Amino acid sequence: EVQLVESGGGLVQPGGSLRLSCAASGFTFSSYAMSWVRQAPGKGLEWVSAISGSGGSTYYADSVKGRFTISRDNSKNTLYLQMNSLRAEDTAVYYCAKPLAGYYYDSSGYQFDYWGQGTLVTVSS
Amino acid sequence: SSELTQDPAVSVALGQTVRITCQGDSLRSYYASWYQQKPGQAPVLVIYGKNNRPSGIPDRFSGSSSGNTASLTITGAQAEDEADYYCNSRDSSGNLVVFGGGTKLTVL
Repeated sequence: EVQLVESGGGLVQPGGSLRLSCAASGFTFSSYAMSWVRQAPGKGLEWVSAISGSGGSTYYADSVKGRFTISRDNSKNTLYLQMNSLRAEDTAVYYCAKPLAGYYYDSSGYQFDYWGQGTLVTVSS
Repeated sequence: SSELTQDPAVSVALGQTVRITCQGDSLRSYYASWYQQKPGQAPVLVIYGKNNRPSGIPDRFSGSSSGNTASLTITGAQAEDEADYYCNSRDSSGNLVVFGGGTKLTVL
């Protein structure tokens, strides 16, 4: 059974940093690109970032480019999101998501069949 | 602003058919996938590809596409279908992923 479990959320001051983790199990983690998707309170879904299965390629939404860094440790089946220079508008539930296809540019590489339960990040003073 | 546009809210009478649409230039090149999200829960994939349903998704859910518009159709809507629905696809460059703004479906 595929499981994605996020952790690391919490309250942080504007300008601060936080690192999220997503522990994956039930599939061959290294064979799949993985994504982070966030949802601000009462708002819609926003794709944040993705990383290839090997970790060699990364992709970011314009809203987080230069501030967030996605990474993975395939030996630990864990996905990370390092968030720096946090702003109030980064307040959201952050989900990790597994796509149907492993290769990022595959026709199903952006279609997410498994999601974690999410972890809440609150940026406030 | 999202590259994919959805109507903010749609309503349907119990047992009737409803279509939720998603518009965007990238949909001329890429299929949309559709997600159902209920309050306090993670999104659930309901339609992907041309018109495919993951295991466990009722066959009253179907997808279609024409030009720059993708549609999710629920034939015989049930009370449990009341939820937010999101489409997603790639952006116009093909390098990034985008979501529509979401449609709140109310079943009357």
